[in-house]
Amino acid sequence: AQSVTQPDIHITVSEGASLELRCNYSYGATPYLFWYVQSPGQGLQLLLKYFSGDTLVQGIKGFEAEFKRSQSSFNLRKPSVHWSDAAEYFCAVGPTGTASKLTFGTGTRLQVTL
Amino acid sequence: DTGVSQDPRHKITKRGQNVTFRCDPISEHNRLYWYRQTLGQGPEFLTYFQNEAQLEKSRLLSDRFSAERPKGSFSTLEIQRTEQGDSAMYLCASSSPPGPNNSPLHFGNGTRLTVT
Repeated sequence: AQSVTQPDIHITVSEGASLELRCNYSYGATPYLFWYVQSPGQGLQLLLKYFSGDTLVQGIKGFEAEFKRSQSSFNLRKPSVHWSDAAEYFCAVGPTGTASKLTFGTGTRLQVTL
Repeated sequence: DTGVSQDPRHKITKRGQNVTFRCDPISEHNRLYWYRQTLGQGPEFLTYFQNEAQLEKSRLLSDRFSAERPKGSFSTLEIQRTEQGDSAMYLCASSSPPGPNNSPLHFGNGTRLTVT
């Protein structure tokens, strides 16, 4: 069965500092990986996705993520965090070739201090 | 592209009552999904449709839950005889068919259900 682990429940960073959110997955085949962001009371917005090819993927809002097959990881990074990035971030994994039935991690809540 | 629309945004109901939620997907998307999200957790898959066909249902979807997509456009999720454990955010998402670009899920803003 596929699973996603986000080991950090809550992270606080200062505005302008760099950010890395960790994601480890378990999946028996080549995974289809995603990062979503959720603001309070809202739905999820796609930040970026990885299917194949270049293991460093660029997303919206200045985010990027790197797929490391040997470590089963897909960590999200941003060089300089803005106060508006405060939100909940979810990593998800799904079967290759389809976006159905994604399995999400429990999320990491990001707090940004000024 | 007007996005995925869900109605209502919030629903408060008493235990034992029935509730129905509606989801309007992005118009050109033929796949529609329902997820449930409880506090402090990530979304959990409930069911999905391709056009009007319900292709998969999670074991989380008890007999009190039923989802329909009669004309392959909007979908409804009904919960009968609600229980306090049903309190959650119910998220709808849609996507276009699998293809070279592997369309990701586009989520609505959800319906928050509170069962008192």
